[in-house]
Amino acid sequence: GAGVSQSPSNKVTEKGKDVELRCDPISGHTALYWYRQSLGQGLEFLIYFQGNSAPDKSGLPSDRFSAERTGGSVSTLTIQRTQQEDSAVYLCASSPRTSGTTDTQYFGPGTRLTVL
Amino acid sequence: DAKTTQPNSMESNEEEPVHLPCNHSTISGTDYIHWYRQLPSQGPEYVIHGLTSNVNNRMASLAIAEDRKSSTLILHRATLRDAAVYYCILRDRIGSNYKLTFGKGTLLTVNP
Repeated sequence: GAGVSQSPSNKVTEKGKDVELRCDPISGHTALYWYRQSLGQGLEFLIYFQGNSAPDKSGLPSDRFSAERTGGSVSTLTIQRTQQEDSAVYLCASSPRTSGTTDTQYFGPGTRLTVL
Repeated sequence: DAKTTQPNSMESNEEEPVHLPCNHSTISGTDYIHWYRQLPSQGPEYVIHGLTSNVNNRMASLAIAEDRKSSTLILHRATLRDAAVYYCILRDRIGSNYKLTFGKGTLLTVNP
């Protein structure tokens, strides 16, 4: 079956511009997560959704970052007024639910964002 | 989540077994031990998880020390495709366990 997909795969933008990153989770998965991976670093949690609600936004680095999820499916991560330190790979994951510790998260291939 | 410690890198030869260690001396009784790996230019993928007993699946085996302060991921016959960064992650069985807390992991190089 189809896995998690993300678009675009690569995005180059100029400092100060806004960008939108899209995530299509596995069909039927109620939980969706965004992570960020800077060059040579581990993954950093940004936000998670249960359905269309985001109970935990604590990982968002600043108020320039926002995310939404509609119809319990597609999610969009928006970065306003991009800065060079926003350059990273943005990874999306989904899982059937969040209540289980053994719940596997399935990751997409990521969007590589480069801010010039 | 409790912290884990892994070697920065390891090297193996193709078709030989690989033992990837992870120390988690502050593990609590409700923490599960999970392993994910990240192949080059891809998102992480689940490998295996366990609580107290050793576990086997089609990808790997997980050996957990009796005191649970360490564990070892075992790849029985490494292939070139197993070259990746391997992450050992603790997930609490209770409370807010939705987020995965990744460290820097172990970079496994497999030589042909």
